[in-house]
Amino acid sequence: AQSVTQLGSHVSVSEGALVLLRCNYSSSVPPYLFWYVQYPNQGLQLLLKYTTGATLVKGINGFEAEFKKSETSFHLTKPSAHMSDAAEYFCAVSLDTGRRALTFGSGTRLQVQP
Amino acid sequence: IAGITQAPTSQILAAGRRMTLRCTQDMRHNAMYWYRQDLGLGLRLIHYSNTAGTTGKGEVPDGYSVSRANTDDFPLTLASAVPSQTSVYFCASSEGRFTDTQYFGPGTRLTVL
Repeated sequence: AQSVTQLGSHVSVSEGALVLLRCNYSSSVPPYLFWYVQYPNQGLQLLLKYTTGATLVKGINGFEAEFKKSETSFHLTKPSAHMSDAAEYFCAVSLDTGRRALTFGSGTRLQVQP
Repeated sequence: IAGITQAPTSQILAAGRRMTLRCTQDMRHNAMYWYRQDLGLGLRLIHYSNTAGTTGKGEVPDGYSVSRANTDDFPLTLASAVPSQTSVYFCASSEGRFTDTQYFGPGTRLTVL
């Protein structure tokens, strides 16, 4: 069975600082990896995803993530945090099985301090 | 384009009552999903449907049922609500491949007393 671990349920950074949100996965087959963002009282929207090909994936709002198979990681980064980045971020994995659904991590709430 | 709509937005329900959460998509997606979101647990899959006429169980299906009579609608029914079903419920849809983006509705906040 696959699983997703997000280290740190809360991360606080200063505006303009680097954002690093960690995600590790376990899977016996090649995974497809996703990062979603949830703003307060809203549904989830896709930030970026890795399926095949280039391991460095760029997403919306200046975020990017790198798939590292040897480390089973898919950490999310942004060089300079903005106040509008404050939200909850979820890492998720999709496997080539009949269910075709996502398995989510527990989420990381990002706070951006002025 | 509305995407995915869910109703109601929120509901307070007495334990033992029956409740149906509605979900409609206008993207003609093949696959639809129901997740529940609980603090510290992320989102967990309740039921899914890969195509109209088929459904399957997710991680936490007990106490819930679904139907998929057509492409657009995917209602979730709680036959006899219990307090542990207090949660935020999200419906999602995708074209149905493993690499596809899932699109989420705005959620239904359900409180069972």
